[in-house]
Amino acid sequence: AQTVTQSQPEMSVQEAETVTLSCTYDTSESNYYLFWYKQPPSRQMILVIRQEAYKQQNATENRFSVNFQKAAKSFSLKISDSQLGDTAMYFCAFMKPSLYNFNKFYFGSGTKLNVKP
Amino acid sequence: SQTIHQWPATLVQPVGSPLSLECTVEGTSNPNLYWYRQAAGRGLQLLFYSVGIGQISSEVPQNLSASRPQDRQFILSSKKLLLSDSGFYLCAWSAPPTGTHQETQYFGPGTRLLVL
Repeated sequence: AQTVTQSQPEMSVQEAETVTLSCTYDTSESNYYLFWYKQPPSRQMILVIRQEAYKQQNATENRFSVNFQKAAKSFSLKISDSQLGDTAMYFCAFMKPSLYNFNKFYFGSGTKLNVKP
Repeated sequence: SQTIHQWPATLVQPVGSPLSLECTVEGTSNPNLYWYRQAAGRGLQLLFYSVGIGQISSEVPQNLSASRPQDRQFILSSKKLLLSDSGFYLCAWSAPPTGTHQETQYFGPGTRLLVL
């Protein structure tokens, strides 16, 4: 079974600074996808960034980028120029594509990020 | 574009009462559908998933059930609520393996359920 581990329950960062959230996963698969989702106080889950395991290049979305280390099974999220609106719970997730009908997603326990003014 | 709706947004119910939460998806066909529960400050627990009309799989035995009467409608139900059913319920969809964006899961706005 796949597992996703987020070892940082809570983190704080000053506005405009950079913060990195850690995520490790355990799988024997070679083809899979990794995600970071953001859940602000409204509790709406929002996709932040997605990484395909077969791509060596790290995904980037504006101020958000990942450090994908496939051999180490590590998938960290870097937030640059942190903004107050980045305050949220961040979830790391893993998905192995199915040849049939169902794609199951595995989520970590989350990291609560507080951006301080 | 695809959208996903959930209602009600908030619900307060007495112990022992029935429950029906609804989720609908627009702009896509034959989606995979999911129900998750999230306790306060915790991660997501997958409750049910569905790959087609009438096809429901349960991840954990519990007081809840799910149904999919139409392609883009997913319902979470209970005959008698327990205090432990309180939580935040999220519906999500992803495209089937043959569809585009099949590798991504998209979430609805959620329903806050408080059982008293």
